[in-house]
Amino acid sequence: QVQLVESGGGVVQPGRSLRLSCAASGFSFNSYGMHWVRQAPGKGLEWVAVIYYDGSNKYYADSVKGRFTVSRDNSKSTLDLQMNSLRVEDTAIYYCARDQSGAWAFDYWGQGTLITVSS
Amino acid sequence: QSALTQPPSASGSPGQSVTFSCTGTSSDVGGYNSVSWYQQHPGKAPKLMIYDVTKRPSGVPDRFSGSKSGNTASLTVSGLQAEDEGDYYCSSYAGSNNLVFGGGTKLTVL
Repeated sequence: QVQLVESGGGVVQPGRSLRLSCAASGFSFNSYGMHWVRQAPGKGLEWVAVIYYDGSNKYYADSVKGRFTVSRDNSKSTLDLQMNSLRVEDTAIYYCARDQSGAWAFDYWGQGTLITVSS
Repeated sequence: QSALTQPPSASGSPGQSVTFSCTGTSSDVGGYNSVSWYQQHPGKAPKLMIYDVTKRPSGVPDRFSGSKSGNTASLTVSGLQAEDEGDYYCSSYAGSNNLVFGGGTKLTVL
């Protein structure tokens, strides 16, 4: 069965960096675009980034552009999110999600990993 | 890119129908047929309920249906059940490899 498992969350000071990972299994990882979506505590969902199935294209929300970098290793079925210059407002649960069919619909989600940016 | 507009709350009794709205602009909801709806229970990851405006993933009951008119998309839940209670989010492709979510609607089953 399809599984997405995030890791790397924790508490970090403003301005520091953190790297999240998402381990995928149960499907042909190299055939799907993958996204990161975040949810601040008690708030709604916010799209963060997408990486195409082959890693050829990457796009970001304006709120993280220039600070976050998404990458993937199709040989290991892993998705990463490098987060630099973290801000208090980046505090959220970060989910990795599979793009069902290139239609920007997310049919499988990880359980999420919490990032808390605080001094 | 501004978030899509959803009413903060909705409610209905078991067996009734409830419809959620999701209002955007011609640059997102009105411009693309890439509207999705997600259900989220407390402490859980979102679950895809509707994609491409009207399509249901396998396993989603046909009590859930989606539609769109102009810049507003809608999700209707018929025959409300207690397990339908939760938060519902819409999303839409917004062009230029960007996605926007709505603020969410909290459904209470009375």
